[in-house]
Amino acid sequence: DQQVKQNSPSLSVQEGRISILNCDYTNSMFDYFLWYKKYPAEGPTFLISISSIKDKNEDGRFTVFLNKSAKHLSLHIVPSQPGDSAVYFCAASVTGSQGNLIFGKGTKLSVKP
Amino acid sequence: DAEITQSPRHKITETGRQVTLACHQTWNHNNMFWYRQDLGHGLRLIHYSYGVQDTNKGEVSDGYSVSRSNTEDLPLTLESAASSQTSVYFCASSESVTTEAFFGQGTRLTVV
Repeated sequence: DQQVKQNSPSLSVQEGRISILNCDYTNSMFDYFLWYKKYPAEGPTFLISISSIKDKNEDGRFTVFLNKSAKHLSLHIVPSQPGDSAVYFCAASVTGSQGNLIFGKGTKLSVKP
Repeated sequence: DAEITQSPRHKITETGRQVTLACHQTWNHNNMFWYRQDLGHGLRLIHYSYGVQDTNKGEVSDGYSVSRSNTEDLPLTLESAASSQTSVYFCASSESVTTEAFFGQGTRLTVV
């Protein structure tokens, strides 16, 4: 049973437009959420995180929104750039579990020039 | 600079052989993790450790073991490699529950 779901395997966006990547979770105990970016043949790299006490966190072109009642979070990239083309993983954890991250299956983002 | 390194980067082994993948981090992080990445499954947790002498099973731990004799290393052992264990393996470490995990470059393991 998947606790973290990314229902869109892929997303294609034009350069300069907004990219919105979605993630749903089922475990109401999750209280810390992260997004990772992964290029081919490399390890995932941390992008942005959000605690459940917030509903928004922004870092430059990247913003993560959290809707706890819907158990849904989204990553917005504005404006999208070709270098953003990668697989994006959503991850969640229960802080009492000492950082055991549960990942979604990932969404492959392609940003077209 | 502190880092996390995995070795080897690529490994081909035969069914039934014992294989050990190395993971070494220089951040002095207490938390270390092993994940495998497979098409259609994303990243799945194999084993994790919260400190020296501590090890815990993850979602897909069958056929794998880990040991934590020091802070820096968490080797992953496949006791008897099976074709179903062909995958890309990632090691990660983190400082605490509210900080991000840092990942190694991955080890591509092929079991023939």
